Amino acid sequence: DIQMTQSPSTLSASVGDRVTITCRASQSVGTWLAWFQQKPGKAPNLLIYKASSLQSGVPSRFSGSGSGTEFTLTISSLQPDDFATYYCQQYNSYLLTFGPGTKVDVK
Amino acid sequence: QITLKESGPTLVKPTQTLTLTCTLSGLSLRTTGVGVAWIRQPPGKALEWLALIYWDDDEHYTPSLQSRLTITKDTSLNQVVLTLTNVHPMDTATYYCAHRKNIASPFDYWGQGTLVTVSS
Repeated sequence: DIQMTQSPSTLSASVGDRVTITCRASQSVGTWLAWFQQKPGKAPNLLIYKASSLQSGVPSRFSGSGSGTEFTLTISSLQPDDFATYYCQQYNSYLLTFGPGTKVDVK
Repeated sequence: QITLKESGPTLVKPTQTLTLTCTLSGLSLRTTGVGVAWIRQPPGKALEWLALIYWDDDEHYTPSLQSRLTITKDTSLNQVVLTLTNVHPMDTATYYCAHRKNIASPFDYWGQGTLVTVSS
């Protein structure tokens, strides 16, 4: 199985901050990497796919980069609606895996 | 409008079999490439992919639970069914179904999730 890790596990930030979350894979996944946002009691929402492609309807303050084993999700200017948990997920393999999540909370 | 909706029991006793149904609307399981997965999330914990079935009946399972999981589809009803045998309290979770357009696509549509509690 491909194992995914994320750092940090929790990130405290303020509105307007630039936020970066890192996701690492135990082996190369190419660019087959997605990012999801999840709020309490809700299903995950797709933000980024193919490592850097913005899903339709997602604000442009979200961006993704990386390839191989290291990826980042960046929020250029954190908004009140962005306080949530973020998950990366690889889909390079038939066996799909999610990262453990990064919670972005209020500083 | 594309929607997925999970249904099934909210409470299951240990050792029983859990059966969950995902009903799709606005998209067809007959469409070439389409896949539907089950993903779960224990309270306060991370997402865990469980199983996935494609339009052509190709199936895949997470290795740690493969012996207890079965995923099937009913194309005429546009439903995907997950069974999990011999449940125990650690299987308590919100169970989601999710759609992908093809093997090269992410999960773009998700159901709202259904909370299943395993308790005697």
